[in-house]
Amino acid sequence: DTAVSQTPKYLVTQMGNDKSIKCEQNLGHDTMYWYKQDSKKFLKIMFSYNNKELIINETVPNRFSPKSPDKAHLNLHINSLELGDSAVYFCASSRSNTDTQYFGPGTRLTVL
Amino acid sequence: GESVGLHLPTLSVQEGDNSIINCAYSNSASDYFIWYKQESGKGPQFIIDIRSNMDKRQGQRVTVLLNKTVKHLSLQIAATQPGDSAVYFCAENGSSNTGKLIFGQGTTLQVKP
Repeated sequence: DTAVSQTPKYLVTQMGNDKSIKCEQNLGHDTMYWYKQDSKKFLKIMFSYNNKELIINETVPNRFSPKSPDKAHLNLHINSLELGDSAVYFCASSRSNTDTQYFGPGTRLTVL
Repeated sequence: GESVGLHLPTLSVQEGDNSIINCAYSNSASDYFIWYKQESGKGPQFIIDIRSNMDKRQGQRVTVLLNKTVKHLSLQIAATQPGDSAVYFCAENGSSNTGKLIFGQGTTLQVKP
């Protein structure tokens, strides 16, 4: 009965590779988000989608591309991975963009 | 610019004592504030929130206080337990209603038995 789930939990890859992280929520929420947490635990929003429409697109390199096939899923694709992309990526969802956000368990990405 | 900060990076309390975690925010247009708890290896977990039309809100063992005059937010945890050990984040919605949350740096709460 997991509310917000992410796969994989851990991802180790080489520089230059392309990888995807998947997120699914079974809460019936309309809005989904991607956050990045760096090594100092600082959490920063990257993207948000509301009913499959991009709402927030922070200053994130073009190598990062979110894709929302339906409102229960928001995937994050990263091209040409760099060392600085190493972080924990969290997906979140909320009923609307003014409601409480609930976070997934995170995906720890390590770029070697 | 927008920023949310916490006064102390680490707070150590004795089990059974009350804990107070503080947060300062800079955007006076923020009207929604949230506290999250993050345990090691897990995602942030919602604790309690408050809107700017209130100055106090209580939950189970937790109370959030909002002082808009000095742009200060605090989280009080009553009878702190070992399971409360975690990093606590405050967040604000800034001047937008897009869902963008601005997070503080986090305070690590350590509960001593």
